[in-house]
Amino acid sequence: AQSVTQPDIHITVSEGASLELRCNYSYGATPYLFWYVQSPGQGLQLLLKYFSGDTLVQGIKGFEAEFKRSQSSFNLRKPSVHWSDAAEYFCAVGAGLTGGGNKLTFGTGTQLKVEL
Amino acid sequence: EPEVTQTPSHQVTQMGQEVILRCVPISNHLYFYWYRQILGQKVEFLVSFYNNEISEKSEIFDDQFSVERPDGSNFTLKIRSTKLEDSAMYFCASSLDRGRVETQYFGPGTRLLVL
Repeated sequence: AQSVTQPDIHITVSEGASLELRCNYSYGATPYLFWYVQSPGQGLQLLLKYFSGDTLVQGIKGFEAEFKRSQSSFNLRKPSVHWSDAAEYFCAVGAGLTGGGNKLTFGTGTQLKVEL
Repeated sequence: EPEVTQTPSHQVTQMGQEVILRCVPISNHLYFYWYRQILGQKVEFLVSFYNNEISEKSEIFDDQFSVERPDGSNFTLKIRSTKLEDSAMYFCASSLDRGRVETQYFGPGTRLLVL
């Protein structure tokens, strides 16, 4: 069965600093990977997704993520964090059709705090 | 921009009571999902629903749970006899298709507290 690990529960960065949120996955086939963000009182918003092709994917709000098969990782990055980026970030893997169907398996999330 | 909505935002209930959580998916979407997140734990898949029937469910989704699309817009999750361990945030999601990389759009969640 697929699984996702987000090793950092909380991260604090200064506004303007760079950010990297870690995500490691376990899945037997080609993974379909997603990053979602949740602001307080809001739903889960998709930041970006990877399913094939270029291993560096661009998302909304200036975020990008790099798929590294050899490390089973899909880390999320942003070169310069804004105070409005403070939120909880979830990495997820989507199972292929021959496996778990269309469900998403999430990590436990990383809470990002931005210091002004 | 169309969005998934959920009501209520918070619900407090007594153990053993029935609760119904409501969701309005995006209007042209065909696939509907429920996920839950127990405080401090992962977001977990509960069930997916298509064409008025369950297409997949997890081991969490036992006989106490049911889903329904009572009309053309609402999608509901019913818990027949709530237990303390049902306390969680429940997220509804919808997607246009069930493809592997089809984006699931999530609602803001309903926080359920069972006392």
